Amino acid sequence: DGGITQSPKYLFRKEGQNVTLSCEQNLNHDAMYWYRQDPGQGLRLIYYSQIVNDFQKGDIAEGYSVSREKKESFPLTVTSAQKNPTAFYLCASSNQVLPKINQPQHFGDGTRLSIL
Amino acid sequence: GEDVEQSLFLSVREGDSSVINCTYTDSSSTYLYWYKQEPGAGLQLLTYIFSNMDMKQDQRLTVLLNKKDKHLSLRIADTQTGDSAIYFCAESMNTGFQKLVFGTGTRLLVSP
Repeated sequence: DGGITQSPKYLFRKEGQNVTLSCEQNLNHDAMYWYRQDPGQGLRLIYYSQIVNDFQKGDIAEGYSVSREKKESFPLTVTSAQKNPTAFYLCASSNQVLPKINQPQHFGDGTRLSIL
Repeated sequence: GEDVEQSLFLSVREGDSSVINCTYTDSSSTYLYWYKQEPGAGLQLLTYIFSNMDMKQDQRLTVLLNKKDKHLSLRIADTQTGDSAIYFCAESMNTGFQKLVFGTGTRLLVSP
């Protein structure tokens, strides 16, 4: 079955530690996205990548980093510079973005990150 | 500016219809989406509507779009307890990539 796999499902971070969240897709999608979800809020875009070896900052990129070395993979690192990392993190992917063509985003099941 | 608003909570009885409302701000949005999120899970795409349409029906789901008022609604007919979840509307911004702006989500509670 095609889909998006996020791991781990739960993750705990110690103070001053970097942690990496995994996102893998086998949908052959060009574009991939990372969102953060806080209680009572909508999703906010952290980073996105439209093509391999290229990525752009979203609305709340500070304290996060990404890489896109393979089409299938878009890992997110939450660095120690992110002072409030406790949240639910969602990865998404979509087909190549073309003007006025419907390219819905498909989501993984998320990773819940907490501070120890 | 980018702002998508939804009411936070809706409670209905099983078998009734549910109507979840959403207002958005960008008149140049091309597509508008409805996603469903069950507890501890990701977002599941339910349906979408192109901005030049007024209505779209898909089994128990009906989407109405009033472009003049920038108002979007999702009607769920014959609501079931399994429909209990958070529902997000999202607008696709007219940018160089498919940026989605999400509402805060409406928590739907269906009681027997």
